[in-house]
Amino acid sequence: QQPVQSPQAVILREGEDAVINCSSSKALYSVHWYRQKHGEAPVFLMILLKGGEQKGHEKISASFNEKKQQSSLYLTASQLSYSGTYFCGSRTGAGNMLTFGGGTRLMVKP
Amino acid sequence: DGGITQSPKYLFRKEGQNVTLSCEQNLNHDAMYWYRQDPGQGLRLIYYSQIVNDFQKGDIAEGYSVSREKKESFPLTVTSAQKNPTAFYLCASSNAGTGDYEQYFGPGTRLTVT
Repeated sequence: QQPVQSPQAVILREGEDAVINCSSSKALYSVHWYRQKHGEAPVFLMILLKGGEQKGHEKISASFNEKKQQSSLYLTASQLSYSGTYFCGSRTGAGNMLTFGGGTRLMVKP
Repeated sequence: DGGITQSPKYLFRKEGQNVTLSCEQNLNHDAMYWYRQDPGQGLRLIYYSQIVNDFQKGDIAEGYSVSREKKESFPLTVTSAQKNPTAFYLCASSNAGTGDYEQYFGPGTRLTVT
């Protein structure tokens, strides 16, 4: 079952902050975050692992609550380049197979 | 430059025809994946392969077939049995084994079947 992302869409002014949430009904090994610009391939942002380890972008922060099976991506002081659709991918078993959420569309306006 | 290539970028086919989408990577990754993306939707896993000559079905494998004869290549065939094949198809690769690895995506192939 795919993780649920919220909100589905958000519009920001440049410099504003946003939080994107990802919730799973299954126990999570890890959560991966990707951003996709329209018509392009998704680009890796970060991986959050059980135990608090993170791999990825230094300028993006995120949290992973293992008990609640949730992850949140924090976008602070948003820039125009942050616009796109953000996907979380949950890993709930062995191997590197991910189940992706439906995405959160973020638009940053000047 | 290392990366993943998919060809063609746009593909048009008539209903009832099989079509094969190409995916090649030179990142020396063991694992490769095929995803389908419909407008406004997330990515759904079609097939994945952790090693040459081995692959497993993902969530929506019906109507699709793959092969993994070489480490660098993971072609996807959309058969006539796939009821709604029009979609954006993304190929990805990553390291394999225990642990978490970043997936690298190709530019995608947009398939239109009429």
